[in-house]
Amino acid sequence: EAGVAQSPRYKIIEKRQSVAFWCNPISGHATLYWYQQILGQGPKLLIQFQNNGVVDDSQLPKDRFSAERLKGVDSTLKIQPAKLEDSAVYLCASSFGGGATDTQYFGPGTRLTVL
Amino acid sequence: DAKTTQPNSMESNEEEPVHLPCNHSTISGTDYIHWYRQLPSQGPEYVIHGLTSNVNNRMASLAIAEDRKSSTLILHRATLRDAAVYYCILRLGGNEKLTFGTGTRLTIIP
Repeated sequence: EAGVAQSPRYKIIEKRQSVAFWCNPISGHATLYWYQQILGQGPKLLIQFQNNGVVDDSQLPKDRFSAERLKGVDSTLKIQPAKLEDSAVYLCASSFGGGATDTQYFGPGTRLTVL
Repeated sequence: DAKTTQPNSMESNEEEPVHLPCNHSTISGTDYIHWYRQLPSQGPEYVIHGLTSNVNNRMASLAIAEDRKSSTLILHRATLRDAAVYYCILRLGGNEKLTFGTGTRLTIIP
């Protein structure tokens, strides 16, 4: 079974530039998550989709971050404009969407460096 | 979300059992206890979860205290490949959200 795919794996940009990350979840998974992981910390949920609707985006900095999941399958996360503090690993995860016992499967992440 | 407390780091010898503790004194009756781990340069991966009873799977065992205010993840025979950050997470019943803390960094000594 193919896992969660993410691209690119690494990205280096200058502050104030824009960047986009792509995620393809496991086939059949209704729920998709984007996390931000700053060095030395655990992942922090940015946004959760159920099919193509947003369930939770309470921690998404909406002035610069946006995400979409068209057709309820793959998803993109965009940062515009980037700040130095956005340097982090961006993780995508997916699950069937079955509640508190549901397993989340994570992709390898995209490491973003903002100079 | 109810909080968990874990040691920042632990060391263990290869091929010996490892007991990773987690305190969650404010756990509610519907909170599930989940463990994920994150190997270097990888995304987190699921290890095990439980509600009240002890649980076993091919990766590990989860021992839950009778009052549910603490739990212990047990790796029966650690290998170098088990070196990772281990996260203990409480997940509210009916809620899919995972809230990660800083976890325990486990070092395996050859």
